[in-house]
Amino acid sequence: NAGVTQTPKFQVLKTGQSMTLQCAQDMNHEYMSWYRQDPGMGLRLIHYSVGAGITDQGEVPNGYNVSRSTTEDFPLRLLSAAPSQTSVYFCASSPVGGGEQYFGPGTRLTVT
Amino acid sequence: EDKVVQSPLSLVVHEGDTVTLNCSYEVTNFRSLLWYKQEKKAPTFLFMLTSSGIEKKSGRLSSILDKKELFSILNITATQTGDSAIYLCAVKLSGAGSYQLTFGKGTKLSVIP
Repeated sequence: NAGVTQTPKFQVLKTGQSMTLQCAQDMNHEYMSWYRQDPGMGLRLIHYSVGAGITDQGEVPNGYNVSRSTTEDFPLRLLSAAPSQTSVYFCASSPVGGGEQYFGPGTRLTVT
Repeated sequence: EDKVVQSPLSLVVHEGDTVTLNCSYEVTNFRSLLWYKQEKKAPTFLFMLTSSGIEKKSGRLSSILDKKELFSILNITATQTGDSAIYLCAVKLSGAGSYQLTFGKGTKLSVIP
């Protein structure tokens, strides 16, 4: 099992550009989520999904969209990047019964 | 508003020292508390605690939960330079938010030779 994978590892965007951060898991987990991590702020939840076709907002959803068409994939879209979205983004998944969340390796995004 | 507070925010110790990291929480519908270690990349799971007073142990690391006083501690004995990392505490809620984790800001531990 590859676990949780994320692409790209690094990305630089200009203000106003759009892009999609990819996340995939091969553990058949129902729950998937996106976090951002900023210095001194811990991990903050952006969006999450409890199954294909079901998504909801977390603590800091503004500026981000998600969709969940399959169990495996949970992409995060930035429609118009802003410098405030410079951060490290982590995707995570867990089985339907809860328990620990497994994290992907992260994407470091810089918006200039 | 659910809140998870970790202390200290950073800590520098010498190899061989014992450290105690603290995590307190104020949440509705507590289900469990999790500890993660984060080195350069993704957080890796250490412990999940659900019941008060039962110590979880893995090698030199141990953790315990006090549900009455709403806190947990993570102990690391005989620290090594490889223990240098950010330690994250997170709380999982029961009910509609049962999959979500609310994280503290983390404790940055630096172990110097």
